[in-house]
Amino acid sequence: DAKTTQPPSMDCAEGRAANLPCNHSTISGNEYVYWYRQIHSQGPQYIIHGLKNNETNEMASLIITEDRKSSTLILPHATLRDTAVYYCIVRANTGNQFYFGTGTSLTVIP
Amino acid sequence: EPEVTQTPSHQVTQMGQEVILRCVPISNHLYFYWYRQILGQKVEFLVSFYNNEISEKSEIFDDQFSVERPDGSNFTLKIRSTKLEDSAMYFCASREDRSLWEQFFGPGTRLTVL
Repeated sequence: DAKTTQPPSMDCAEGRAANLPCNHSTISGNEYVYWYRQIHSQGPQYIIHGLKNNETNEMASLIITEDRKSSTLILPHATLRDTAVYYCIVRANTGNQFYFGTGTSLTVIP
Repeated sequence: EPEVTQTPSHQVTQMGQEVILRCVPISNHLYFYWYRQILGQKVEFLVSFYNNEISEKSEIFDDQFSVERPDGSNFTLKIRSTKLEDSAMYFCASREDRSLWEQFFGPGTRLTVL
């Protein structure tokens, strides 16, 4: 069920952009890419999602490659409060559940 | 901003006892979920609930588990006879009918079975 591959951990300097990669080479045409994060055992928090176009909201930007086999979540100006585990999830909008993998543990360094 | 709330934040119980974990989803949401996360492991889906019935459940959600929406605001998860391996964080989530994307998660209940 875990159809995504993410690096286990990354560091980022405070104030710099954090670029979190995700591989989803087996993604199907009707599957969306979602990003959630989990700060220190709190409930997962929705960040952004997309199908094939790049997306931006107040939290982040999502860049999806043209072949849709990978994507990058960009936090433009990382702060210490962005330290969290970031989950990349692919899912069709016909299903109910989210399958969370192991994610990327992002540490923002002062 | 509306949010999902869960009570209690921490529940300690003896093995074999029944526990009820409570959630108040966001008021205009119609789909409700329970997930769990054993310490150091992945977040795992347990069950989804819509229109007063279970719409999907995982293999984890066996006969010891049940869910209920007893009134217009609460959504509960009952574990009938707790086992040591039920110790975990339990997260409730909800989503709005028209919005297919975003599940809003609560802060979780930490269940410790002794």
